[in-house]
Amino acid sequence: QQPVQSPQAVILREGEDAVINCSSSKALYSVHWYRQKHGEAPVFLMILLKGGEQKGHEKISASFNEKKQQSSLYLTASQLSYSGTYFCGTEDQAGTALIFGKGTTLSVSS
Amino acid sequence: DTAVSQTPKYLVTQMGNDKSIKCEQNLGHDTMYWYKQDSKKFLKIMFSYNNKELIINETVPNRFSPKSPDKAHLNLHINSLELGDSAVYFCASSPGRNYEQYFGPGTRLTVT
Repeated sequence: QQPVQSPQAVILREGEDAVINCSSSKALYSVHWYRQKHGEAPVFLMILLKGGEQKGHEKISASFNEKKQQSSLYLTASQLSYSGTYFCGTEDQAGTALIFGKGTTLSVSS
Repeated sequence: DTAVSQTPKYLVTQMGNDKSIKCEQNLGHDTMYWYKQDSKKFLKIMFSYNNKELIINETVPNRFSPKSPDKAHLNLHINSLELGDSAVYFCASSPGRNYEQYFGPGTRLTVT
């Protein structure tokens, strides 16, 4: 089942913060976060696993609330390079297909 | 030294034709994937292979057939192309399940 992302779009000025949420109606094993710039391929940002393990970049943080089946991606002190569409992908069991949300478009201006 | 490469980058063809998209990764990864991204940017898994073995086969029409000749390659053959097949197709690879996926640059398929 496709996870639901919110908000659909965010407009920021450089230096501002943003939070992107991802929620599922099913129990989750893992949540993946990717960023895709226009005309390019998705790029990995973060994986959060059931049990609390995280794998990802130092400058981006995220949380995973297993009980609420929700994850949030925190983008602080945004830069122009943060612009793009952010996708969360969820697995309900280890090794199953990654199901992506519809994406959140982030636009950062100077 | 591109990590995940796809050919061709653009593919324009007529309805009813058969076409193939090739994917190669030089990362030494065991797992490879095919995704379809439609005009609304919805990114959907189609297939996944682990060590040349098909492990994920989502509800994709039989006209789509993946083939993995070795761990580094995963090709996608599409028969009897339809208008609805128009999309960007991404190949990806990962060291294994529950690891980050590295996406290729995509192949934009346009069926007329």
